[in-house]
Amino acid sequence: NAGVMQNPRHLVRRRGQEARLRCSPMKGHSHVYWYRQLPEEGLKFMVYLQKENIIDESGMPKERFSAEFPKEGPSILRIQQVVRGDSAAYFCASSPDTPRAETQYFGPGTRLLVL
Amino acid sequence: SQQGEEDPQALSIQEGENATMNCSYKTSINNLQWYRQNSGRGLVHLILIRSNEREKHSGRLRVTLDTSKKSSSLLITASRAADTASYFCVPLTGANSKLTFGKGITLSVRP
Repeated sequence: NAGVMQNPRHLVRRRGQEARLRCSPMKGHSHVYWYRQLPEEGLKFMVYLQKENIIDESGMPKERFSAEFPKEGPSILRIQQVVRGDSAAYFCASSPDTPRAETQYFGPGTRLLVL
Repeated sequence: SQQGEEDPQALSIQEGENATMNCSYKTSINNLQWYRQNSGRGLVHLILIRSNEREKHSGRLRVTLDTSKKSSSLLITASRAADTASYFCVPLTGANSKLTFGKGITLSVRP
């Protein structure tokens, strides 16, 4: 059973460009979480999605950031008009569909560098 | 969700020694989890202990939970250089909710 997959692993963008980060959860998982880790800091929650629904986006910046998890395909975290402060590692995690799904399984992350 | 407070912030030990890491939290929980993050990598779930459990083992890991003191400890026995990583405790009150991470403990195991 493949783990959580994220791509690309590294992404370089110039200021003003768009960044698209993809996350494929583990098989059988329909809960996806995105976290951001700024340099020298801990992980911060951004958004929690289930298939086609955003459940909790309390950690998402109000502007330029959006996330989706369509019925088919990976979850996408989209950052428009990137700025240098968006440089960070972005981690995706997934959890299974069981009622007491407490453990989250993390992907290897996407390291975004904004020049 | 609430954040765990890990202690100490940094720990350096010799290979073969035991490493003890502590965690405190503020409000009642359903369970508490420990995660590890190797440098530059994603997090790995290590162990989960439920509020009605006092101690749990997994390989070289031993975790305790004292709900009266709202604290937990993670013991790694016979440490190895590969245990060098950051360790985070995550207290949880429910399922399918966001995880809140503290600053973690940076463990260095010297060969």
